[in-house]
Amino acid sequence: GDSVTQMEGPVTLSEEAFLTINCTYTATGYPSLFWYVQYPGEGLQLLLKATKADDKGSNKGFEATYRKETTSFHLEKGSVQVSDSAVYFCALRNTGGFKTIFGAGTRLFVKA
Amino acid sequence: DSGVTQTPKHLITATGQRVTLRCSPRSGDLSVYWYQQSLDQGLQFLIQYYNGEERAKGNILERFSAQQFPDLHSELNLSSLELGDSALYFCASSVGDTNYEQYFGPGTRLTVT
Repeated sequence: GDSVTQMEGPVTLSEEAFLTINCTYTATGYPSLFWYVQYPGEGLQLLLKATKADDKGSNKGFEATYRKETTSFHLEKGSVQVSDSAVYFCALRNTGGFKTIFGAGTRLFVKA
Repeated sequence: DSGVTQTPKHLITATGQRVTLRCSPRSGDLSVYWYQQSLDQGLQFLIQYYNGEERAKGNILERFSAQQFPDLHSELNLSSLELGDSALYFCASSVGDTNYEQYFGPGTRLTVT
């Protein structure tokens, strides 16, 4: 079945460091890929998405490129801030699919 | 604020009991999704309703049931509760039934003692 694997956390970085959170997927067909962010005590928010191969999703300085050849959708940010501390979830939804498959989540701590 | 509301925010109950969680979708959204988030299982899709009809089922236990009412709010009923049912339960909504962005509510934290 479809699945998403993302790097285990926690990831601890200093402010202004470069961030990469790895995400790979297994799916039949042509899934849409997403990154969600969950701040403490809140629900998930869509951070960015990509719906086809080679698309780049971007938002709030974060970006991720849909790589079909490596089945990956790694999240990157050039300079993290303390306010980026949260749990990040990679997810996929297959074409015509009703459900979204989430990765286990990666907790990010950013130190001032 | 996503526009999705969930009540109650916290719920503490005993094993064997039954609880009802409530979700109101964003205005105009026809689909409601329920998810369970626990430390050991991560975020698991439970069930989806679209305009009052069940659309998709995920890892939902037989002790759990849900429905969506004519005003589009949804309720998730959890019965014969076990310690392992302690988790955060999220509701999400979207405009359509497939391939639409989901907006998540703040969740209901259920603690079974």
